[in-house]
Amino acid sequence: GAVVSQHPSRVICKSGTSVKIECRSLDFQATTMFWYRQFPKQSLMLMATSNEGSKATYEQGVEKDKFLINHASLTLSTLTVTSAHPEDSSFYICSAFTNTEAFFGQGTRLTVV
Amino acid sequence: AQSVTQLDSQVPVFEEAPVELRCNYSSSVSVYLFWYVQYPNQGLQLLLKYLSGSTLVKGINGFEAEFNKSQTSFHLRKPSVHISDTAEYFCAVSLRNAGNMLTFGGGTRLMVKP
Repeated sequence: GAVVSQHPSRVICKSGTSVKIECRSLDFQATTMFWYRQFPKQSLMLMATSNEGSKATYEQGVEKDKFLINHASLTLSTLTVTSAHPEDSSFYICSAFTNTEAFFGQGTRLTVV
Repeated sequence: AQSVTQLDSQVPVFEEAPVELRCNYSSSVSVYLFWYVQYPNQGLQLLLKYLSGSTLVKGINGFEAEFNKSQTSFHLRKPSVHISDTAEYFCAVSLRNAGNMLTFGGGTRLMVKP
């Protein structure tokens, strides 16, 4: 089946630095990818919709200057957490669709110290 | 707007016992329905989905779910659970005519005890 690869799986960074997370669709083209954030013991909250070749669509309350999304090709979307702070520590997950099914990346555990 | 409610945040059950994880949804238009499983520090894996047709849907790992339109429910069941089924389970919906964005329920932690 279709595979979505997310990298890195874990990252620890210092407060004030930026972190880039990659999401790749390995065997299909994805014009749209989704970025979710998951706090411990909670559900997934949609952060933004990444559109190939155009600007991302952010959900209410998500700072677009804080969470930069780039979808430069049909197989790659990136999420950059800029000037990260401890409150940005979380589990980030991307997904992409083929037909009516969503495939998810393995997730990225971000810890900001 | 659509919403998804998973009535139980945690469900403890003994190994080999049956289990039902409840999911109710609210939407003014037709939806697709999904159940996903998440193991610790991993992404989500699709268990099963309802798009149309038969209301009883069979998925992987022995799970099944039944779509009940009148009760707007999509409960997940397994007749006999294993220790390895311990995980977080998410019910989700997407609108049929509004793209592929998923709305998730709060999740249910299934804890299988020996």
